[in-house]
Amino acid sequence: QKEVEQNSGPLSVPEGAIASLNCTYSDRGSQSFFWYRQYSGKSPELIMSIYSNGDKEDGRFTAQLNKASQYVSLLIRDSQPSDSATYLCAASNSGYSTLTFGKGTMLLVSP
Amino acid sequence: ETGVTQTPRHLVMGMTNKKSLKCEQHLGHNAMYWYKQSAKKPLELMFVYNFKEQTENNSVPSRFSPECPNSSHLFLHLHTLQPEDSALYLCASSQEKGGRYTFGSGTRLTVV
Repeated sequence: QKEVEQNSGPLSVPEGAIASLNCTYSDRGSQSFFWYRQYSGKSPELIMSIYSNGDKEDGRFTAQLNKASQYVSLLIRDSQPSDSATYLCAASNSGYSTLTFGKGTMLLVSP
Repeated sequence: ETGVTQTPRHLVMGMTNKKSLKCEQHLGHNAMYWYKQSAKKPLELMFVYNFKEQTENNSVPSRFSPECPNSSHLFLHLHTLQPEDSALYLCASSQEKGGRYTFGSGTRLTVV
Protein backbone atom coordinates (compact mmCIF):
# COMPACT_ATOMS: atom_id res chain seq x y z
CA GLN A 1 0.00 0.00 0.00
CA LYS A 2 1.58 3.25 -1.13
CA GLU A 3 1.08 6.02 1.39
CA VAL A 4 1.97 9.67 1.63
CA GLU A 5 1.78 11.10 5.13
CA GLN A 6 1.33 14.72 6.11
CA ASN A 7 0.48 16.45 9.36
CA SER A 8 -3.02 17.85 8.87
CA GLY A 9 -2.26 20.98 10.88
CA PRO A 10 -3.22 23.72 10.98
CA LEU A 11 0.27 25.15 10.86
CA SER A 12 0.07 28.75 12.00
CA VAL A 13 2.83 31.22 11.18
CA PRO A 14 3.00 35.02 11.34
CA GLU A 15 3.31 37.07 8.19
CA GLY A 16 6.92 37.28 7.02
CA ALA A 17 8.00 34.04 8.70
CA ILE A 18 9.19 30.84 7.06
CA ALA A 19 6.57 28.10 6.81
CA SER A 20 7.90 24.55 6.74
CA LEU A 21 5.63 21.79 5.45
CA ASN A 22 6.68 18.15 5.66
CA CYS A 23 5.75 14.92 3.96
CA THR A 24 6.91 11.30 4.18
CA TYR A 25 6.22 8.50 1.73
CA SER A 26 6.22 4.74 2.05
CA ASP A 27 7.08 3.58 -1.48
CA ARG A 28 10.86 3.48 -1.87
CA GLY A 29 10.36 3.30 -5.62
CA SER A 30 8.89 6.80 -5.73
CA GLN A 31 10.77 9.01 -8.17
CA SER A 32 8.66 12.12 -8.70
CA PHE A 33 7.29 14.43 -6.04
CA PHE A 34 4.86 17.31 -6.27
CA TRP A 35 3.44 20.01 -4.05
CA TYR A 36 -0.05 21.32 -4.79
CA ARG A 37 -1.76 24.26 -3.16
CA GLN A 38 -5.53 24.13 -2.63
CA TYR A 39 -7.48 27.14 -1.49
CA SER A 40 -10.74 26.50 0.33
CA GLY A 41 -13.46 25.56 -2.15
CA LYS A 42 -11.02 25.47 -5.06
CA SER A 43 -9.14 22.75 -6.92
CA PRO A 44 -5.45 21.90 -6.36
CA GLU A 45 -2.84 23.78 -8.37
CA LEU A 46 0.72 22.62 -8.90
CA ILE A 47 3.35 24.85 -7.30
CA MET A 48 6.51 22.70 -7.20
CA SER A 49 7.90 19.45 -8.53
CA ILE A 50 11.14 17.77 -7.50
CA TYR A 51 12.83 14.64 -8.82
CA SER A 52 16.39 14.64 -7.40
CA ASN A 53 17.80 14.71 -3.91
CA GLY A 54 18.54 18.20 -2.63
CA ASP A 55 16.84 21.56 -2.89
CA LYS A 56 14.91 23.19 -5.68
CA GLU A 57 14.04 26.86 -5.42
CA ASP A 58 11.33 28.82 -7.23
CA GLY A 59 10.76 32.32 -5.95
CA ARG A 60 9.67 32.16 -2.31
CA PHE A 61 9.23 28.38 -2.49
CA THR A 62 11.92 25.75 -1.87
CA ALA A 63 11.25 22.03 -2.21
CA GLN A 64 13.61 19.63 -0.48
CA LEU A 65 13.93 15.90 -1.17
CA ASN A 66 15.77 13.23 0.78
CA LYS A 67 15.15 9.83 -0.78
CA ALA A 68 17.20 7.97 1.80
CA SER A 69 14.88 9.26 4.53
CA GLN A 70 11.80 9.15 2.24
CA TYR A 71 11.12 12.74 3.14
CA VAL A 72 9.94 15.75 1.13
CA SER A 73 9.45 19.26 2.43
CA LEU A 74 8.26 22.63 1.19
CA LEU A 75 9.59 25.87 2.62
CA ILE A 76 7.73 29.12 2.03
CA ARG A 77 9.82 32.19 2.78
CA ASP A 78 8.31 35.57 3.69
CA SER A 79 4.89 33.95 4.20
CA GLN A 80 1.91 36.06 3.20
CA PRO A 81 -1.75 35.79 4.27
CA SER A 82 -2.47 34.82 0.64
CA ASP A 83 -0.40 31.67 1.22
CA SER A 84 -3.08 30.42 3.63
CA ALA A 85 -4.31 27.23 2.01
CA THR A 86 -4.01 23.45 2.23
CA TYR A 87 -0.80 22.06 0.75
CA LEU A 88 -0.94 18.58 -0.77
CA CYS A 89 2.13 16.41 -1.19
CA ALA A 90 2.04 13.78 -3.96
CA ALA A 91 4.41 11.07 -5.16
CA SER A 92 4.65 8.67 -8.08
CA ASN A 93 7.11 5.99 -9.02
CA SER A 94 8.56 5.25 -12.40
CA GLY A 95 6.67 3.36 -15.03
CA TYR A 96 4.03 6.00 -15.49
CA SER A 97 2.09 5.30 -12.32
CA THR A 98 -0.55 7.65 -11.00
CA LEU A 99 0.05 10.09 -8.18
CA THR A 100 -0.56 9.17 -4.55
CA PHE A 101 -1.65 12.16 -2.50
CA GLY A 102 -1.35 12.95 1.19
CA LYS A 103 -4.27 14.38 3.16
CA GLY A 104 -2.73 17.82 3.03
CA THR A 105 -1.49 20.32 5.62
CA MET A 106 -3.51 23.45 6.29
CA LEU A 107 -1.34 26.55 6.54
CA LEU A 108 -2.63 29.72 8.23
CA VAL A 109 -0.58 32.90 7.85
CA SER A 110 -1.69 35.64 10.20
CA PRO A 111 -1.16 39.35 9.40
CA GLU B 1 -10.88 28.02 -23.54
CA THR B 2 -7.74 26.77 -21.87
CA GLY B 3 -6.95 24.30 -19.13
CA VAL B 4 -9.36 21.74 -17.74
CA THR B 5 -13.06 22.59 -17.60
CA GLN B 6 -15.57 20.72 -15.47
CA THR B 7 -19.34 21.03 -15.51
CA PRO B 8 -21.51 21.42 -13.59
CA ARG B 9 -19.79 23.22 -10.69
CA HIS B 10 -22.48 22.16 -8.25
CA LEU B 11 -24.95 19.28 -8.39
CA VAL B 12 -27.67 18.17 -5.99
CA MET B 13 -29.27 14.87 -6.84
CA GLY B 14 -31.62 12.39 -5.26
CA MET B 15 -30.61 8.79 -4.71
CA THR B 16 -32.76 7.61 -7.62
CA ASN B 17 -31.54 10.19 -10.14
CA LYS B 18 -29.15 9.71 -13.04
CA LYS B 19 -26.73 12.50 -13.84
CA SER B 20 -23.40 12.97 -15.60
CA LEU B 21 -20.30 15.00 -14.85
CA LYS B 22 -18.31 16.36 -17.77
CA CYS B 23 -14.63 17.18 -18.09
CA GLU B 24 -12.86 18.70 -21.08
CA GLN B 25 -9.17 19.48 -21.40
CA HIS B 26 -7.63 21.85 -23.95
CA LEU B 27 -4.00 21.05 -23.14
CA GLY B 28 -3.32 18.23 -25.58
CA HIS B 29 -2.73 15.83 -22.69
CA ASN B 30 -2.94 12.07 -23.12
CA ALA B 31 -4.01 10.98 -19.64
CA MET B 32 -7.18 11.93 -17.75
CA TYR B 33 -8.30 11.08 -14.24
CA TRP B 34 -11.30 11.18 -11.94
CA TYR B 35 -10.59 11.81 -8.24
CA LYS B 36 -12.95 12.02 -5.26
CA GLN B 37 -12.14 14.43 -2.46
CA SER B 38 -13.95 13.99 0.85
CA ALA B 39 -13.33 15.92 4.05
CA LYS B 40 -10.42 14.66 6.16
CA LYS B 41 -9.36 12.14 3.50
CA PRO B 42 -6.64 12.13 0.84
CA LEU B 43 -7.64 12.51 -2.77
CA GLU B 44 -9.01 9.13 -3.85
CA LEU B 45 -8.22 7.96 -7.36
CA MET B 46 -11.30 6.59 -9.12
CA PHE B 47 -10.46 6.07 -12.79
CA VAL B 48 -7.54 6.60 -15.15
CA TYR B 49 -7.64 6.87 -18.92
CA ASN B 50 -4.48 6.89 -21.01
CA PHE B 51 -4.90 7.57 -24.74
CA LYS B 52 -8.69 7.03 -24.30
CA GLU B 53 -8.21 3.56 -22.79
CA GLN B 54 -9.14 2.88 -19.19
CA THR B 55 -6.04 1.71 -17.40
CA GLU B 56 -7.19 1.78 -13.79
CA ASN B 57 -10.43 1.31 -11.91
CA ASN B 58 -9.69 1.73 -8.26
CA SER B 59 -12.41 -0.59 -6.93
CA VAL B 60 -15.06 2.00 -7.57
CA PRO B 61 -18.72 0.94 -7.08
CA SER B 62 -20.62 0.30 -10.29
CA ARG B 63 -22.97 3.22 -9.58
CA PHE B 64 -20.09 5.33 -10.98
CA SER B 65 -19.50 4.71 -14.68
CA PRO B 66 -16.77 6.53 -16.61
CA GLU B 67 -16.70 7.26 -20.33
CA CYS B 68 -13.86 8.64 -22.41
CA PRO B 69 -14.96 9.17 -26.04
CA ASN B 70 -11.68 10.87 -27.00
CA SER B 71 -8.51 12.09 -25.34
CA SER B 72 -10.01 15.53 -24.63
CA HIS B 73 -13.29 14.52 -22.98
CA LEU B 74 -14.11 12.52 -19.89
CA PHE B 75 -17.49 11.81 -18.34
CA LEU B 76 -18.60 10.31 -15.05
CA HIS B 77 -22.10 8.87 -15.17
CA LEU B 78 -23.87 8.65 -11.83
CA HIS B 79 -26.90 6.56 -10.85
CA THR B 80 -28.52 5.43 -7.61
CA LEU B 81 -25.91 7.19 -5.51
CA GLN B 82 -25.76 7.14 -1.73
CA PRO B 83 -25.46 10.11 0.66
CA GLU B 84 -21.86 9.08 1.43
CA ASP B 85 -21.01 9.75 -2.22
CA SER B 86 -21.40 13.45 -1.53
CA ALA B 87 -17.97 14.97 -2.19
CA LEU B 88 -15.93 17.13 -4.51
CA TYR B 89 -15.23 15.28 -7.76
CA LEU B 90 -12.12 16.42 -9.52
CA CYS B 91 -11.01 15.77 -13.05
CA ALA B 92 -7.32 16.07 -13.91
CA SER B 93 -5.15 15.60 -16.96
CA SER B 94 -1.44 15.15 -17.60
CA GLN B 95 0.80 14.91 -20.64
CA GLU B 96 1.69 11.35 -19.75
CA LYS B 97 0.32 9.11 -17.04
CA GLY B 98 1.94 9.93 -13.73
CA GLY B 99 3.18 13.33 -14.80
CA ARG B 100 2.30 16.80 -13.63
CA TYR B 101 -1.46 17.08 -13.19
CA THR B 102 -3.68 19.99 -14.11
CA PHE B 103 -6.95 19.88 -12.22
CA GLY B 104 -10.35 21.13 -13.21
CA SER B 105 -12.36 23.31 -10.86
CA GLY B 106 -14.34 20.30 -9.61
CA THR B 107 -17.99 19.41 -9.19
CA ARG B 108 -19.40 19.69 -5.67
CA LEU B 109 -21.90 16.83 -5.50
CA THR B 110 -24.56 16.52 -2.82
CA VAL B 111 -26.72 13.39 -2.70
CA VAL B 112 -29.97 13.81 -0.80
